[in-house]
Amino acid sequence: EPEVTQTPSHQVTQMGQEVILRCVPISNHLYFYWYRQILGQKVEFLVSFYNNEISEKSEIFDDQFSVERPDGSNFTLKIRSTKLEDSAMYFCASILQGAGETQYFGPGTRLLVL
Amino acid sequence: AQSVTQLGSHVSVSEGALVLLRCNYSSSVPPYLFWYVQYPNQGLQLLLKYTTGATLVKGINGFEAEFKKSETSFHLTKPSAHMSDAAEYFCAVRPRGTSGSRLTFGEGTQLTVNP
Repeated sequence: EPEVTQTPSHQVTQMGQEVILRCVPISNHLYFYWYRQILGQKVEFLVSFYNNEISEKSEIFDDQFSVERPDGSNFTLKIRSTKLEDSAMYFCASILQGAGETQYFGPGTRLLVL
Repeated sequence: AQSVTQLGSHVSVSEGALVLLRCNYSSSVPPYLFWYVQYPNQGLQLLLKYTTGATLVKGINGFEAEFKKSETSFHLTKPSAHMSDAAEYFCAVRPRGTSGSRLTFGEGTQLTVNP
């Protein structure tokens, strides 16, 4: 069964450093998402991406964040200058199309900012 | 804006007992409704969803949920809990008629199953 994959599974970085989290969505899916989950809290939406541009973003997704689909398979989230409060689990998700369709989630990248 | 409330951040049941996890949504138009499960150190897995049609929806692992418009609820149930059901459960919603829109999640309910 096709699945969303994410790399790395864990990343530790120093405050102020840049990180890039990578995702490979399911191959025929059209919409891509990033969510995050701070430890012990609920899953929060960051951004959605469709047709090579951001279609929606939350108030969390400020100028330090960016997304890119550099080729036909990868979808990346860049955090330009990490802060302590960016420590969280970051999930990538993808969907074929349609509001009723299921969003398929990757296993997540656990980011720890020291 | 849509919101989701899960009543009870922690639910504890005995093995073999009924599992009931509560979810209520706030939306002028009933949204699409989802339940996801998260096992420790893993991603989110879809249990079941309601989009249209029959209001009682069956999912994986013996779970089911019923959409009740009058109560704005989508509670998750399982007749007999198993130890392997111990996990965190998230209710989520998405607006109808909007392709690609975000999921909004509830706070989650941690289910503990006691032997």
